[in-house]
Amino acid sequence: DGGITQSPKYLFRKEGQNVTLSCEQNLNHDAMYWYRQDPGQGLRLIYYSQIVNDFQKGDIAEGYSVSREKKESFPLTVTSAQKNPTAFYLCASSTRETRHEQFFGPGTRLTVL
Amino acid sequence: AQSVTQPDIHITVSEGASLELRCNYSYGATPYLFWYVQSPGQGLQLLLKYFSGDTLVQGIKGFEAEFKRSQSSFNLRKPSVHWSDAAEYFCAVGFNFGNEKLTFGTGTRLTIIP
Repeated sequence: DGGITQSPKYLFRKEGQNVTLSCEQNLNHDAMYWYRQDPGQGLRLIYYSQIVNDFQKGDIAEGYSVSREKKESFPLTVTSAQKNPTAFYLCASSTRETRHEQFFGPGTRLTVL
Repeated sequence: AQSVTQPDIHITVSEGASLELRCNYSYGATPYLFWYVQSPGQGLQLLLKYFSGDTLVQGIKGFEAEFKRSQSSFNLRKPSVHWSDAAEYFCAVGFNFGNEKLTFGTGTRLTIIP
């Protein structure tokens, strides 16, 4: 089945450690996105990539980094510079043919202790 | 700046009653419009979408939405809710700036009472 996978489902890290969240898609979509979700704030865009080897900052990129070396993969690193990293992280993908319709993964809940 | 507003943070509806969730956007032209649903701890699932044409669109799970250009609105409706409809609902808008970015509303949490 085609879809988006995110791993792990739950992630715990100590303060000051970098952590990388995985996102893989087999939909052959060109564009991929990372969102952060906090209660009452909806989804906020962290980074997005429209094509391999290219990505742009979203609305809240500070303290995060990404790479897009393969079409199907878009990992997100939460660095120690992110002041409040505990949140639910969602990955999504889309293609120009579906005009903005985004398909979402199941999410990763990151808790920094 | 373009924005999306969902004015209702939390709505409670009796099972079997009708439902309307509100969504308004600010943008000069007609955007692409979406409603997504999210169960606790899960990703988002697309309910329906509007790109052009008929302003009343049908989606999955018995939902529909109507685009009203004069009111810049895209409200979600269901004639009779089921307990399984309890979830959080997000309106999202795509603005045609040469990329497929979406702007999301802050969501409406729906509670169903017996």
